Amino acid sequence: GAVVSQHPSRVICKSGTSVKIECRSLDFQATTMFWYRQFPKQSLMLMATSNEGSKATYEQGVEKDKFLINHASLTLSTLTVTSAHPEDSSFYICSAPLPFNPGAEAFFGQGTRLTVV
Amino acid sequence: QKEVEQNSGPLSVPEGAIASLNCTYSDRGSQSFFWYRQYSGKSPELIMSIYSNGDKEDGRFTAQLNKASQYVSLLIRDSQPSDSATYLCAVPPSNDYKLSFGAGTTVTVRA
Repeated sequence: GAVVSQHPSRVICKSGTSVKIECRSLDFQATTMFWYRQFPKQSLMLMATSNEGSKATYEQGVEKDKFLINHASLTLSTLTVTSAHPEDSSFYICSAPLPFNPGAEAFFGQGTRLTVV
Repeated sequence: QKEVEQNSGPLSVPEGAIASLNCTYSDRGSQSFFWYRQYSGKSPELIMSIYSNGDKEDGRFTAQLNKASQYVSLLIRDSQPSDSATYLCAVPPSNDYKLSFGAGTTVTVRA
């Protein structure tokens, strides 16, 4: 399958600081990427859809000013958690579907475990 | 009605048995159906894709699709302890890249 790489895999930050998470498609161009959050023993929750060259689309209840998404190239999307608080501690995962074919397979990055202290 | 629903878990099976996972979906226009496996603390991994009615086999995994009934299932034959994980059914709506996930079914294979 295609490869999606996410970095860092684990980060600990102080409350009030910002954290940037990178998601790269290594062997295909991803015009669209998705960002999810997952709390322990819960299912994936879609946060936003990242579109190359345009603004991200956020799901209801997700603060766009807190979770900044940039998709500046066809292989890279970044999620920045601004002014992080302990309640933002979670597992953040990106995914990228194969392009040009709605309904195509999507591949996930390794995930980022964020702990805010 | 949720877009994708999975049979409630957790599911516990003895080693060597068949684990059966079920999923229903609401969008009749959906054409692609996926099963992902997620180990605890890890991200989901695609294990099966199915696009046509009928069965698709890959090793010990068999996916079954019935579009008329809006039903897709996953069978794990000869279950192994390494199969213990949460299995997610995912269905993209017609003409959309966005995946709708079921809540997942946690499978435990007892040695």
